Amino acid sequence: AQSVTQPDIHITVSEGASLELRCNYSYGATPYLFWYVQSPGQGLQLLLKYFSGDTLVQGIKGFEAEFKRSQSSFNLRKPSVHWSDAAEYFCAVGAGNNRKLIWGLGTSLAVNP
Amino acid sequence: DTAVSQTPKYLVTQMGNDKSIKCEQNLGHDTMYWYKQDSKKFLKIMFSYNNKELIINETVPNRFSPKSPDKAHLNLHINSLELGDSAVYFCASQAGGTNTEAFFGQGTRLTVV
Repeated sequence: AQSVTQPDIHITVSEGASLELRCNYSYGATPYLFWYVQSPGQGLQLLLKYFSGDTLVQGIKGFEAEFKRSQSSFNLRKPSVHWSDAAEYFCAVGAGNNRKLIWGLGTSLAVNP
Repeated sequence: DTAVSQTPKYLVTQMGNDKSIKCEQNLGHDTMYWYKQDSKKFLKIMFSYNNKELIINETVPNRFSPKSPDKAHLNLHINSLELGDSAVYFCASQAGGTNTEAFFGQGTRLTVV
């Protein structure tokens, strides 16, 4: 069965520090992978996506993610975190012909000044 | 100009009432979704419509009934509201094709008292 695992429920980093949020997926075919961000009281906004090609994808707000098929991972990174990055981050995989998104449980990011 | 808009943003109602949430997208997308996000931020897909036709209907109580009058609109009607229905409900839309992402509305926070 398809699944997405975000091992870290909550992460706290200092402003200016680097960030890596982990995402592992289980899916038999080539996955379509997404990272979304949800700021408090807001809807979900797409940060970046991977469908094919270059396994390192660049997104908005200075985020990037790397698809590693051998590790079934799609980790999100940012070299220097800003206080405004504090939010909930969701990894998702697009599955099947109906393109249903399978979601991870999210990682809550807190940023210390 | 909001791409996916939901109304109302907040909804407080008593148990047993019937309420509706409306969603409209101006992106020309073929597919629309309803998601439920619980207090732990878990995202659960409820329904998906493609060109007004229901294509995903997850295990949701039949008190929830989606209606799509045209492909730009997907409304959610809930009968006999229960305390457990309290959540944030998100509408989303997606273009045709497998390599497309979903665009989300701002959410409707439903509180049943």
